[in-house]
Amino acid sequence: KAGVTQTPRYLIKTRGQQVTLSCSPISGHRSVSWYQQTPGQGLQFLFEYFSETQRNKGNFPGRFSGRQFSNSRSEMNVSTLELGDSALYLCASSLVGGGGNIQYFGAGTRLSVL
Amino acid sequence: EDKVVQSPLSLVVHEGDTVTLNCSYEVTNFRSLLWYKQEKKAPTFLFMLTSSGIEKKSGRLSSILDKKELFSILNITATQTGDSAIYLCAVPPGGGADGLTFGKGTHLIIQP
Repeated sequence: KAGVTQTPRYLIKTRGQQVTLSCSPISGHRSVSWYQQTPGQGLQFLFEYFSETQRNKGNFPGRFSGRQFSNSRSEMNVSTLELGDSALYLCASSLVGGGGNIQYFGAGTRLSVL
Repeated sequence: EDKVVQSPLSLVVHEGDTVTLNCSYEVTNFRSLLWYKQEKKAPTFLFMLTSSGIEKKSGRLSSILDKKELFSILNITATQTGDSAIYLCAVPPGGGADGLTFGKGTHLIIQP
């Protein structure tokens, strides 16, 4: 069974640009969550999607957005990139979410903003 | 606001030693506590502890949950260099959605 797949693995962007990251969950998983990991703040929750609806959201500005498709694949978008957006972005999937399921993580997308 | 605090933040031991990693938490409506190991990129799942499963063991790793005192520990016995990693503790929110709150992690280094 394939794991969580994130693309691309690495991205280099400049300030002001926008970026789209993609996540394919484990087959059969319907909940997809996104996290940002930085050395200073650690792993921080961005948002969770379930059945194409955002079900939960962390404390991030509106420049961070996402969506989920009918096949449970998810994308996140960051607009007007800032230097502080440089981070490892991790996607995790679980069967139905809700705190009782294990979240499995992808290898992440390393975003560098110059 | 949910909160997870891990200690120590870093730990250096020699191969063969036993280590204990700590995690305290504050969450409304506790559902579970999870431990992950992160070596390079993807955190990999170790244990999930719930009210009905407060002790888990897998090989040299074991974990217990104290719901009364709101903490969990992760024990690794007979450590090996391959155990070097960041160990993360996390709790899901009390509602029906997902979105783990993570601690800062314990960076464990095993010296040969």
